[in-house]
Amino acid sequence: QKEVEQNSGPLSVPEGAIASLNCTYSDRGSQSFFWYRQYSGKSPELIMSIYSNGDKEDGRFTAQLNKASQYVSLLIRDSQPSDSATYLCAVKIGTDSWGKLQFGAGTQVVVTP
Amino acid sequence: DAGVTQSPTHLIKTRGQQVTLRCSPKSGHDTVSWYQQALGQGPQFIFQYYEEEERQRGNFPDRFSGHQFPNYSSELNVNALLLGDSALYLCASSLSADWTGNTIYFGEGSWLTVV
Repeated sequence: QKEVEQNSGPLSVPEGAIASLNCTYSDRGSQSFFWYRQYSGKSPELIMSIYSNGDKEDGRFTAQLNKASQYVSLLIRDSQPSDSATYLCAVKIGTDSWGKLQFGAGTQVVVTP
Repeated sequence: DAGVTQSPTHLIKTRGQQVTLRCSPKSGHDTVSWYQQALGQGPQFIFQYYEEEERQRGNFPDRFSGHQFPNYSSELNVNALLLGDSALYLCASSLSADWTGNTIYFGEGSWLTVV
């Protein structure tokens, strides 16, 4: 079983619609969760972090966390062609300062005009 | 404020050769981690350095080694290169005092092609 799992996609989303991305993780002790956006040929860029159960909104992005279900999701509202990228879910393993990030394989999102 | 800088950006090496990649952390950061990202995969943790010592290591062979200098910059060395080492190598810097992980910043990466 992979430790961080995501649907690989591609996820095709019409412009203006909501893109919904899902991620499950196996380490019950994890406390920090991240969504990174990665354009082709570029490095990952942090777009959201979440630490508590519930929703966290930042602009068009909403992250949702359910630690009991070991599930974290990302919603992208009013999707734009510039949102076309691979979205990586990452979990910080370890609650001390030395924790490493464990990534899923990423979900490719394609926003169609 | 300079972010995380990596060099070189692209390089091509032959099987069996050795390569050194370099990273300067974001100003004020004292911890450096290295990740390998193969095509179509998420980044995989290689190792992490703080106070010039390796603090954690992922599931990578001893051919992968590193170093951190007193100014917090770091090098990743890979010996006896294999075709499978072809990947994007990412450096991430962070603050040792931050347990949340929210201060982790990635550099633009070094693209390594082994032929």
